Amino acid sequence: DGGITQSPKYLFRKEGQNVTLSCEQNLNHDAMYWYRQDPGQGLRLIYYSQIVNDFQKGDIAEGYSVSREKKESFPLTVTSAQKNPTAFYLCASSIRAGLYQETQYFGPGTRLLVL
Amino acid sequence: KNQVEQSPQSLIILEGKNCTLQCNYTVSPFSNLRWYKQDTGRGPVSLTIMTFSENTKSNGRYTATLDADTKQSSLHITASQLSDSASYICVVSPRNYQLIWGAGTKLIIKP
Repeated sequence: DGGITQSPKYLFRKEGQNVTLSCEQNLNHDAMYWYRQDPGQGLRLIYYSQIVNDFQKGDIAEGYSVSREKKESFPLTVTSAQKNPTAFYLCASSIRAGLYQETQYFGPGTRLLVL
Repeated sequence: KNQVEQSPQSLIILEGKNCTLQCNYTVSPFSNLRWYKQDTGRGPVSLTIMTFSENTKSNGRYTATLDADTKQSSLHITASQLSDSASYICVVSPRNYQLIWGAGTKLIIKP
């Protein structure tokens, strides 16, 4: 059963806490992306990775960090420096790098809430 | 500034009726335009993609049109079904490593 999985579905963060969102894909895609979705707004790119051990900042990278140690995995850490982390987080992948050329396939999302 | 504006923000129609969603963009230069469907609490799923030279693309009951001169696109849904209830998002790509996402139109189909 191929696709992109994200976990957990819901995540609660306490003040000053770092939390990590998981994203795994078995589509053999080279490129992976993290987006943030807020009500009434378009998706905003946080980070993207074109290849293992390489990643680039998107439009709103401050307060977030990522790693890409394996082709299948692209975890996102929301650090305590992110002052407004409540949002719906979406992970995506595409066959090759090049955001504008390739169709992106999305996971089911993780909703992060602050306690 | 590159922007994508969608209208209406929300729309309610009866099952079986047709509807048209609008997308206006100021993105330049233009590479392609996509429509995504996003069910509540789920990730978006691609419906269509059109390049500069294409002015219509169909996917089942979904038909997208593109007028690159006026920088407008529309998504027409024929014979709506309850499962069409979702947000529909227009995404425009300039010729670089960037996607400009619209805020979406929330469509509700009532029985």
